[in-house]
Amino acid sequence: GENVEQHPSTLSVQEGDSAVIKCTYSDSASNYFPWYKQELGKGPQLIIDIRSNVGEKKDQRIAVTLNKTAKHFSLHITETQPEDSAVYFCAAITGGFKTIFGAGTRLFVKA
Amino acid sequence: SQTIHQWPATLVQPVGSPLSLECTVEGTSNPNLYWYRQAAGRGLQLLFYSVGIGQISSEVPQNLSASRPQDRQFILSSKKLLLSDSGFYLCACHGPIAETQYFGPGTRLLVL
Repeated sequence: GENVEQHPSTLSVQEGDSAVIKCTYSDSASNYFPWYKQELGKGPQLIIDIRSNVGEKKDQRIAVTLNKTAKHFSLHITETQPEDSAVYFCAAITGGFKTIFGAGTRLFVKA
Repeated sequence: SQTIHQWPATLVQPVGSPLSLECTVEGTSNPNLYWYRQAAGRGLQLLFYSVGIGQISSEVPQNLSASRPQDRQFILSSKKLLLSDSGFYLCACHGPIAETQYFGPGTRLLVL
């Protein structure tokens, strides 16, 4: 069945450094890739998304890249701040209503 | 934009007791609705989804059931809770752009 692998499971960076989270999907028909940020005790919040007809999308300090050939997509956070500390989930959707989530990455930003 | 309400926010229940968690959605019509469970420090496990009133699909066999009595109401239930039912329960819906899922604030359930 469809699968999304996410790495690393835990990431620790110094404040001001960049953080990169990578995901790989299995269904070549996937065409929409959202990223969610989940703070402790809260529901996941959509932070950025990308469609399969776009290679890169940027929103201030966060960006997402997509390589359809390799079935990889990545989240890049620049100039990290302590408030970026959270769990991040990638996901892939194949034109339907079921979202396949990665297992999550716990990001720690050390002040 | 849509808003998802969940209650209660926190619940502590004894083993063997019944459960009813409620989710309501505002700001959208005929949404697809979802129940997820998240164990501590873990990912999102899809439990149920619904594409319309009275239509429920179950993703995993378990001790739980779901119902959708109204267009924007989704209920998660159990007749007898197990210790393994403890977790963080999240309701989600598709927004106006059908692919994007939005999540509610969650209900933390502890079964003792």
